[in-house]
Amino acid sequence: KAGVTQTPRYLIKTRGQQVTLSCSPISGHRSVSWYQQTPGQGLQFLFEYFSETQRNKGNFPGRFSGRQFSNSRSEMNVSTLELGDSALYLCASSLVGGSFGSGELFFGEGSRLTVL
Amino acid sequence: KNQVEQSPQSLIILEGKNCTLQCNYTVSPFSNLRWYKQDTGRGPVSLTIMTFSENTKSNGRYTATLDADTKQSSLHITASQLSDSASYICVVSASTDKLIFGTGTRLQVFP
Repeated sequence: KAGVTQTPRYLIKTRGQQVTLSCSPISGHRSVSWYQQTPGQGLQFLFEYFSETQRNKGNFPGRFSGRQFSNSRSEMNVSTLELGDSALYLCASSLVGGSFGSGELFFGEGSRLTVL
Repeated sequence: KNQVEQSPQSLIILEGKNCTLQCNYTVSPFSNLRWYKQDTGRGPVSLTIMTFSENTKSNGRYTATLDADTKQSSLHITASQLSDSASYICVVSASTDKLIFGTGTRLQVFP
């Protein structure tokens, strides 16, 4: 059974640009959640999607957005990049609402974004 | 304020030794507590999930304990191996559908 796939694994952008990251969940999983991980802040929750609907959102500015498609694949977008957006962006999939409650979360390997 | 604090921040041990990592939380209402292992440059991998009624849960050489009264959890690693070198993250789920992450303990195992 294939795991959670995130693309691209690494990318470099400059300030002011935008970026789109992709996440393909484990087959059959309907929940996808996104996280930002930095050395100083640790893992921080961005948002969760379930059956194409955003179910929950963390405390990030509106420059961070996401969506989920009918096949459960998800994308997140960051517009007007800032230096502080440099981070490892992780997505996790779960059978049912795994970010919350007792559902098991399965993480991808992450997309390492560097903003210059 | 919902918080999860882990200690120590970093730890160095010799291969074959045991170690214990701590997690204190002030999350309410509590739903469950999870421990994840994250290798450098990789995504976190779940080790255990414990609900309010569970005191101990094992996954191979990893044993997690939970004291819901004192709001403390520990992760005990037995007979450490070089492959145990990683960050260990404690995550508490609130019944209000929020996940609160600790900042992790960085463990290094040397031969």
